[in-house]
Amino acid sequence: QKEVEQDPGPLSVPEGAIVSLNCTYSNSAFQYFMWYRQYSRKGPELLMYTYSSGNKEDGRFTAQVDKSSKYISLFIRDSQPSDSATYLCAMSRVEGGKLIFGQGTELSVKP
Amino acid sequence: DTAVSQTPKYLVTQMGNDKSIKCEQNLGHDTMYWYKQDSKKFLKIMFSYNNKELIINETVPNRFSPKSPDKAHLNLHINSLELGDSAVYFCASSQQAGVETQYFGPGTRLLVL
Repeated sequence: QKEVEQDPGPLSVPEGAIVSLNCTYSNSAFQYFMWYRQYSRKGPELLMYTYSSGNKEDGRFTAQVDKSSKYISLFIRDSQPSDSATYLCAMSRVEGGKLIFGQGTELSVKP
Repeated sequence: DTAVSQTPKYLVTQMGNDKSIKCEQNLGHDTMYWYKQDSKKFLKIMFSYNNKELIINETVPNRFSPKSPDKAHLNLHINSLELGDSAVYFCASSQQAGVETQYFGPGTRLLVL
């Protein structure tokens, strides 16, 4: 069993939809949680970073962490075609520790 | 201005060959990384250097040897290439080993025939 599980998709939604992306993990020691966005043929770029449980909002993006369920989510409101990319969750046990990535979910937002 | 750059972008080579991938960052960061992304987009760390010192060395065949001539450069040399080495290799850097924001390069697409 992988330490971090993420549905690879692909996920296709119409423009303007609310998108929910999720990861589950098995190691309760993870404390730092990140979402990266990777456009086709590009390197991943950090989108959201949260520590421990709770919510964090940045514009149209909201990251949620539920440590009791070992479950993290990324919500995208009013999705745009420019949001079409692969979204990777990542987590680590300690600050600066090794990042463990999920497989990534491929998202396509249709105009 | 490219923050993290890699060369070459594409590499097609025969089994058994030796090849190198170069990485440079102009962000003044102390820590650099090599990741491998397989065909299923699974991204996995291989190595991490902090101030030219190796701090993370995952279970990677010893055919892979990283070299950091200075803080701004981290190169990856691969000996005796195998079919299974075909992947996208990403270099990344961060301010310090204790800061999570890692900046990734554009990737080097390696195809071993």
